[in-house]
Amino acid sequence: GIQVEQSPPDLILQEGANSTLRCNFSDSVNNLQWFHQNPWGQLINLFYIPSGTKQNGRLSATTVATERYSLLYISSSQTTDSGVYFCAVEPRTGANNLFFGTGTRLTVIP
Amino acid sequence: GEEVAQTPKHLVRGEGQKAKLYCAPIKGHSYVFWYQQVLKNEFKFLISFQNENVFDETGMPKERFSAKCLPNSPCSLEIQATKLEDSAVYFCASSQSGDTQYFGPGTRLTVL
Repeated sequence: GIQVEQSPPDLILQEGANSTLRCNFSDSVNNLQWFHQNPWGQLINLFYIPSGTKQNGRLSATTVATERYSLLYISSSQTTDSGVYFCAVEPRTGANNLFFGTGTRLTVIP
Repeated sequence: GEEVAQTPKHLVRGEGQKAKLYCAPIKGHSYVFWYQQVLKNEFKFLISFQNENVFDETGMPKERFSAKCLPNSPCSLEIQATKLEDSAVYFCASSQSGDTQYFGPGTRLTVL
């Protein structure tokens, strides 16, 4: 099946710093989503972004489908940004379920 | 509703007992998906439905797991004879037409 790799696995930031999270995938995709899993376990939709660039407040994401990667940018990080960020993709061929990466654990310290 | 609802939040079962989890998708969404999250960072797809029909069940351990989505009822995931390794958080997700998937809050199953 499709492989989804996220980097870095762990990230510690001082409040106010910026960061970039990366997601590489091994095959063409119909769908790519970024999620934030907060410390209570909720999976929060951040972006549906199979290609192009989107922005939502302090967060933005870019997917370059032809090169099989996506980036999530977090600017002016806050302690509430802490948690695990997952990238998940739906391959172009075959099933319509999502394949998840192993996540990036972000800790923002005051 | 506007959110995917899952019940119960927590479920504790002794090994060998049955467990049943429920999911109400967002109103108007045709697709329902079940995922299992183990070891905090590992998601495994179990099964998907298009309306009440099974769309893809390639992830289901069929000997003990079953699922249904019947009209006018919450979808359900049932585990017969639970094992220790079934301990996980089970997420349900729904989508309108196979694009953005919206996830429920999950059910944490603990098998003792």
